[in-house]
Amino acid sequence: QKEVEQDPGPLSVPEGAIVSLNCTYSNSAFQYFMWYRQYSRKGPELLMYTYSSGNKEDGRFTAQVDKSSKYISLFIRDSQPSDSATYLCAMRISNQFYFGTGTSLTVIP
Amino acid sequence: EPEVTQTPSHQVTQMGQEVILRCVPISNHLYFYWYRQILGQKVEFLVSFYNNEISEKSEIFDDQFSVERPDGSNFTLKIRSTKLEDSAMYFCASRYSTDTQYFGPGTRLTVL
Repeated sequence: QKEVEQDPGPLSVPEGAIVSLNCTYSNSAFQYFMWYRQYSRKGPELLMYTYSSGNKEDGRFTAQVDKSSKYISLFIRDSQPSDSATYLCAMRISNQFYFGTGTSLTVIP
Repeated sequence: EPEVTQTPSHQVTQMGQEVILRCVPISNHLYFYWYRQILGQKVEFLVSFYNNEISEKSEIFDDQFSVERPDGSNFTLKIRSTKLEDSAMYFCASRYSTDTQYFGPGTRLTVL
């Protein structure tokens, strides 16, 4: 059973659209939840992290965690072509991190 | 802004050879990690390192792999006898105490 499930996409949206990216997980021991952005052949870059259920907002990005459903989401408002990248969810237990497969997003001008 | 650096950016080796991948984490960070990403697949945790010892390791991190922090600044990953399936991007990461884990640009390892 995979620890973290993420729809790989690809996802293609017009500029200005609201994007919703999702991950589910099976291990209720996960303590921290993160979203990373990865451009082609680059290292992942942390966008947001949270450790509690609910919403956390940072500019155009909102991270949502529902621990009872074991479900996390990242919303991107007013999407821009520069948001085109692969988005990875990640979760942490102790000092070990588990990543989703990543969702490839293209924002069309 | 401080960043994690990795060398080399690309390493080509013959099957069965030993390789050492090098990383310089951010200087005041305390936790260090190696990950790999096979082309088109997910980022996979290999090992975490804290207080000069391995903190956790995955099933991938078998006896062929070892890590060292030889001089207080470098953090290395050694693969003793490379296999074709070791071909991947290898990322080093470090963090201080929060979950802001900073990744290096990666080393692309090609095993022929």
